[in-house]
Amino acid sequence: KQEVTQIPAALSVPEGENLVLNCSFTDSAIYNLQWFRQDPGKGLTSLLLIQSSQREQTSGRLNASLDKSSGRSTLYIAASQPGDSATYLCAVIGDTGGFKTIFGAGTRLFVKA
Amino acid sequence: GAGVSQSPSNKVTEKGKDVELRCDPISGHTALYWYRQSLGQGLEFLIYFQGNSAPDKSGLPSDRFSAERTGGSVSTLTIQRTQQEDSAVYLCASSQYGQLSTDTQYFGPGTRLTVL
Repeated sequence: KQEVTQIPAALSVPEGENLVLNCSFTDSAIYNLQWFRQDPGKGLTSLLLIQSSQREQTSGRLNASLDKSSGRSTLYIAASQPGDSATYLCAVIGDTGGFKTIFGAGTRLFVKA
Repeated sequence: GAGVSQSPSNKVTEKGKDVELRCDPISGHTALYWYRQSLGQGLEFLIYFQGNSAPDKSGLPSDRFSAERTGGSVSTLTIQRTQQEDSAVYLCASSQYGQLSTDTQYFGPGTRLTVL
């Protein structure tokens, strides 16, 4: 059974700092991994999608890496800003005959001005 | 273009009543997903549609939950005889092709359901 874990659960950093959010999963048979952000009371916004055959994806100040063999992904945020404050969720779609998307519990990020 | 929309945004109901939640996916998106986000439980997959058919219903928590999609577009999630543990935010997402490896899921704002 696929389990997705995110560390840390919460993070508070000063503005301008570079930071790394971690996601680990137990079953490496995945189709893809997605990183989302969720603002309070809102739905999810997709940030990056990494296909199982890819190692990383970049969008602006965000870079996500994927190491399937070790069951790990990281989301790197460069030069953090107060507007980056949100909950960051990673999710995997498994290669187990279904389309079940398994989410981690998220990392709550607070960037102090 | 317009994103995924959901209605109502908030629903308060009494225990034992039936509720219907609606999702309008992005126009042209063939795949549609329902999730539930409970306090302290994280995001939980409920059901997935490819067109009008649901190849994966494995996440529906009980037979009180059902969903349908008509015309390859709008979907409704119905909860019969609601219980207090059904209180959650119900999120809908859609993706363009339903391709497992490449599709990005786009989420709606959710419906907050409160069962008294």
